[in-house]
Amino acid sequence: EDQVTQSPEALRLQEGESSSLNCSYTVSGLRGLFWYRQDPGKGPEFLFTLYSAGEEKEKERLKATLTKKESFLHITAPKPEDSATYLCAVLYLRGGGADGLTFGKGTHLIIQP
Amino acid sequence: DSGVTQTPKHLITATGQRVTLRCSPRSGDLSVYWYQQSLDQGLQFLIHYYNGEERAKGNILERFSAQQFPDLHSELNLSSLELGDSALYFCASSPRGGGHGYTFGSGTRLTVV
Repeated sequence: EDQVTQSPEALRLQEGESSSLNCSYTVSGLRGLFWYRQDPGKGPEFLFTLYSAGEEKEKERLKATLTKKESFLHITAPKPEDSATYLCAVLYLRGGGADGLTFGKGTHLIIQP
Repeated sequence: DSGVTQTPKHLITATGQRVTLRCSPRSGDLSVYWYQQSLDQGLQFLIHYYNGEERAKGNILERFSAQQFPDLHSELNLSSLELGDSALYFCASSPRGGGHGYTFGSGTRLTVV
């Protein structure tokens, strides 16, 4: 079953129209929740790491928050250059010492001028 | 430029063939991770190497293998290629293992025909 679920799959906003992206996770033993931005044909670009419920981090128009079951990426007054796919990933305790990130399928965000 | 270098950028090969993808991590990073990104599966963790030693395996097929050399560059070997292996292959690096911001390369796009 999906351990990291992102919603919505796609979102189209007008420039300046604030919104939030959701990432819910069902893993236990969370060691970190990561947000990445990915532009077409490029590798994911690191945005934030959140480690514990209640933690918040901000960068320009983006703010990430974390609860025990989900994370939100809030986008305030977005600009067209914020258009990208936003990926959420978790790092958690798994058997065998596996420690790679488990990614959601992303939210494809389009900001129209 | 993220500092993680992947070559080649594009690769087209036939079914049944073998290819090698190369990754040079960011200067000073000891960990290298390999990920596969396909349209239907999203980003999937394949394998993690730390300072030359295999640390963890994810959803890596037996036809795939990897290694990390003394100069810390890594190679991902894909053999007996199938059409379904067509995907973007990303390498990421970090200073240590797990729980940190991973830096991704720009990927190798593999097309199997």
